[in-house]
Amino acid sequence: KAGVTQTPRYLIKTRGQQVTLSCSPISGHRSVSWYQQTPGQGLQFLFEYFSETQRNKGNFPGRFSGRQFSNSRSEMNVSTLELGDSALYLCASSLHTDTQYFGPGTRLTVL
Amino acid sequence: GNSVTQMEGPVTLSEEAFLTINCTYTATGYPSLFWYVQYPGEGLQLLLKATKADDKGSNKGFEATYRKETTSFHLEKGSVQVSDSAVYFCALPNDYKLSFGAGTTVTVRA
Repeated sequence: KAGVTQTPRYLIKTRGQQVTLSCSPISGHRSVSWYQQTPGQGLQFLFEYFSETQRNKGNFPGRFSGRQFSNSRSEMNVSTLELGDSALYLCASSLHTDTQYFGPGTRLTVL
Repeated sequence: GNSVTQMEGPVTLSEEAFLTINCTYTATGYPSLFWYVQYPGEGLQLLLKATKADDKGSNKGFEATYRKETTSFHLEKGSVQVSDSAVYFCALPNDYKLSFGAGTTVTVRA
């Protein structure tokens, strides 16, 4: 089975721009979660979707949003980028247990 | 909510040394417990898990036992290799998300 895929792998944006990241879960997995990883803050939870419904959201400003499509693929969007948004964004999928499987991440650099 | 506290590094070892990374948890009930590993430039990989008390998870020579008496899930490996150099995270589920420890950076020298 193919693993979790994330596109693009690397992105460079400038302050004020917006960005969309994509995640394709493992086939059959209906839950998709997003995390932000930075050296200073570690791994922080952004949001989780199951069957197109957001079930939980982390403590991030409204500039961070996400959605899930009927095929379980998910996107997250960050508007009005700030320097502090530079991070590795990780997507994870799970079947119906607590076990999450992670993708390789998207490295976002904001200049 | 559920949370984990993980021994922070960095930890530097010589090849074939014994590795242990401490992890303790606070939880309602007995949730599954996980260890994830992150190699340089990569995402997180599930290393092992335990789903109930007294379970032992194992993979690639690593082991961890779910101990409810001490609320711990320490990671151990008897003989590390250079290829084990990575960041290790302890985690547990918490309301549709995983709560992670701060991560322990392990460097193994040849």
